[in-house]
Amino acid sequence: DGGITQSPKYLFRKEGQNVTLSCEQNLNHDAMYWYRQDPGQGLRLIYYSQIVNDFQKGDIAEGYSVSREKKESFPLTVTSAQKNPTAFYLCASSISQALGYTFGSGTRLTVV
Amino acid sequence: QQPVQSPQAVILREGEDAVINCSSSKALYSVHWYRQKHGEAPVFLMILLKGGEQKGHEKISASFNEKKQQSSLYLTASQLSYSGTYFCGTVSGGSNYKLTFGKGTLLTVNP
Repeated sequence: DGGITQSPKYLFRKEGQNVTLSCEQNLNHDAMYWYRQDPGQGLRLIYYSQIVNDFQKGDIAEGYSVSREKKESFPLTVTSAQKNPTAFYLCASSISQALGYTFGSGTRLTVV
Repeated sequence: QQPVQSPQAVILREGEDAVINCSSSKALYSVHWYRQKHGEAPVFLMILLKGGEQKGHEKISASFNEKKQQSSLYLTASQLSYSGTYFCGTVSGGSNYKLTFGKGTLLTVNP
């Protein structure tokens, strides 16, 4: 079955360490997105990519970086510059702006 | 800028109806609706494109008033499985097709 795989499901890191969250899709979708979810805040867009080798900053890109070297993969790196990295991170993809997004099951990152 | 959802939370008994509203200060190109169960990924319900259309999915339907930049989600004869947090997401003209989500509406359906 096609879908989006995010790994790992839970991730713990020490403060000051960079960490990379994986997102892989086999839906043949061109566009991919990273959202951050905090309690009571909804989903906030970090970065998005509409095509391979191209990506744009979302609303809260500071302290994060991404790459899009392959259509199937859109990893997110949470750097030590992100002041409050503990959150639930969701990756999504879409084939068209006229269709809905498919979300992965998320990665819950805890920084201690 | 995030769209504003109302109410923030609603509690229903099975079989009752509910309406969730989503409004934006910007001209909208489209509105998405998603439902998220606790600890799970959001699931796409429907999308409404510019044109004021109304769409339906079983007993869940939505409308889009582009003049007022508002959308409403209608849940009729609610079932226990409807419980979850409902998010609207909006795409504004000139936003480069960024989908911006509201803060969500927590719907609880009790027996």
